[in-house]
Formats: sequence, structure tokens, C-alpha cells
Amino acid sequence: ESVLTQSPGTLSLSPGERATLSCRASQSVSSSYLAWYQQKPGQAPRLLIYGASIRATGIPDRFSGSGSGTDFTLTISRLEPEDFAVYYCQQYGSSPYTFGQGTKLEIK
Amino acid sequence: QVQLVESGGGVVQPGGSLRLSCAASGFTFSGYGMHWVRQAPGKGLEWVAFIRYDGSNKYYAESVKGRFTISRDNSKNTLYLQMSSLSTEDTAVFYCAKERLAGSAFDNWGQGTLVTVSS
Repeated sequence: ESVLTQSPGTLSLSPGERATLSCRASQSVSSSYLAWYQQKPGQAPRLLIYGASIRATGIPDRFSGSGSGTDFTLTISRLEPEDFAVYYCQQYGSSPYTFGQGTKLEIK
Repeated sequence: QVQLVESGGGVVQPGGSLRLSCAASGFTFSGYGMHWVRQAPGKGLEWVAFIRYDGSNKYYAESVKGRFTISRDNSKNTLYLQMSSLSTEDTAVFYCAKERLAGSAFDNWGQGTLVTVSS
């Protein structure tokens, strides 16, 4: 089982700033089967990025993903007020399809 | 548009059973694998189970193996999760989610249904 570790646990930034979220896997993620999700309070998760770097339909281009193997990054270039939420990475290359523990992005 | 609507949640005693349903619409249900994902109160996401588009393959998290059964009825566009031997650790919001393509990420999620295991 691949364990995903996200850092930091909480990130405090202001609107307009750049956010960099990290996800490290205990085993190499096959074929970059790595996704990022955004979840706001009381809502279901929303797919942002799949294949490590491909934006899902309707996702603004300020969101970008990068990485391969065991180290992945989600970058939000200029934070908008609606971006403050919890972000999860997930590997879907093999069962069990594990999630990271999440990074909370909060307003500073 | 894709819509996934979970139902069947509620309060159940430890050791009890419950069946969740997920009604799908807006896409060809029989062509996509489906997942259940849960989230305990104030906690992160935990993948629970997967079923292939035709029901031929099923996978489970170790934490639910032998207690939960995922199934589907493609004629009714409905996904199910039969849960038994429930414990307080199973208290969570349960989401159904659709895979974007075979073996891909989860591109559509339901709103979730709350399961509370309590005496």
C-alpha cells in the first residue's frame, strides 16, 4: 500500500499569493496516476488535477500540478478567496486507492 | 449533467447492518467503474471500495474487507454498499464517486450520506 504524506498540514496565505502544496508517496506512483482534489466545508470533494499535471474540466489555469515517481506538487499561482479549502492528493494506480491526509489552506 | 445521489444513511447500533444506495443519472452508468469513499467527522478522505463497470472486479480497503460488499444494478443505474458488523469507527459521511475513465481519477461525486454507528 502506498502511503501519501502531504505537507504542510496547514498553510496560511493571503489572496494574491502563491501556494505550493506537497505530496510524497511511500512507493512510486505508477504512470503518474496522481490526482488532487479540493474540498470545502460541507461539500463533496472536487477533482482538480489528474495524471499528476492535467487540469480537470472547468478548473482555472491558476491551478497546476507537477511531479513524478514519489514527489508531487500542487501550485496555485495567485490565490483567490474561493481557493481557501482543504486539498487532498490521491494515487489511483493500484488498489487501495489511498488519499493523503490533506492540507488546509487558510486565509492569513 | 452527471448526478450521483446517495441514500440509506442513518443511525445504526454497533454490530448492525445498513445498505447504502447511489442513484446515477446523466451518463451511461454501465460504462464506468464506481467507488465508495468515506469521511469520518473532522477527518480526511478514506477510499472504501471499487466495482468495475460490469461488476466483474471488486476491491476493498482492508478496514472493511469481509464486512462491506459493493454491488451494482446497471439496469437501475444504481450502486450499492452493503455494510455489516458496523462499529463506531465506521461513523462517516459516505460518498459515491465515478471514475473519469477506466482506471482514472474520480471526476464526479455525490453529496454524501451520513452513517452514524451508536448505541
